[in-house]
Amino acid sequence: AQKITQTQPGMFVQEKEAVTLDCTYDTSDPSYGLFWYKQPSSGEMIFLIYQGSYDQQNATEGRYSLNFQKARKSANLVISASQLGDSAMYFCAMREGQGSNDYKLSFGAGTTVTVRA
Amino acid sequence: NAGVMQNPRHLVRRRGQEARLRCSPMKGHSHVYWYRQLPEEGLKFMVYLQKENIIDESGMPKERFSAEFPKEGPSILRIQQVVRGDSAAYFCASSQAAHGTAYGYTFGSGTRLTVV
Repeated sequence: AQKITQTQPGMFVQEKEAVTLDCTYDTSDPSYGLFWYKQPSSGEMIFLIYQGSYDQQNATEGRYSLNFQKARKSANLVISASQLGDSAMYFCAMREGQGSNDYKLSFGAGTTVTVRA
Repeated sequence: NAGVMQNPRHLVRRRGQEARLRCSPMKGHSHVYWYRQLPEEGLKFMVYLQKENIIDESGMPKERFSAEFPKEGPSILRIQQVVRGDSAAYFCASSQAAHGTAYGYTFGSGTRLTVV
């Protein structure tokens, strides 16, 4: 079964507008972490934001915020005030467990975001 | 403080040749992870190594693939007798601790392997 599901293969957004990228996850482990990475056309993987399963508040990092709905098992990424440089592929990922076994990340298939001027 | 360095950035091999991908972790990091990204897909875990030890190779294909992280030098992912299906981007990440941190892993820029 897929651990991370990203249902939007591609999205277009107007410059300066906000965009929400969907991510749902599947785990029975009470301890897990959720990540979003950005992959521009140059190919590198850039860490954006992290949410721990026990975190009470939604994570924010600059223009990125994570809408964490634990009961629905969703961790949507919101990018506010989109810029042309935000055009990239975005991946949601999860790490399960804690301690010495929680090193493995499971990735979704990604969402391509294209920002229009 | 240099990040995770991977080389080469692009590698072209003919079917049947060997491919060697190198990864130098961040300074002070002794844990290395390799992931593979097939076209149009997310990254998939391959192997986790510490210095001179393979900790978890559950994501590695059983044949033709091997990985090492010697006491000195970079980690090497080796693919013998490459086939077209091996064409992918191979990413390396490193961490200081055995388990993950809240800030995820630092990934290298990847090696794009093309098998012709």
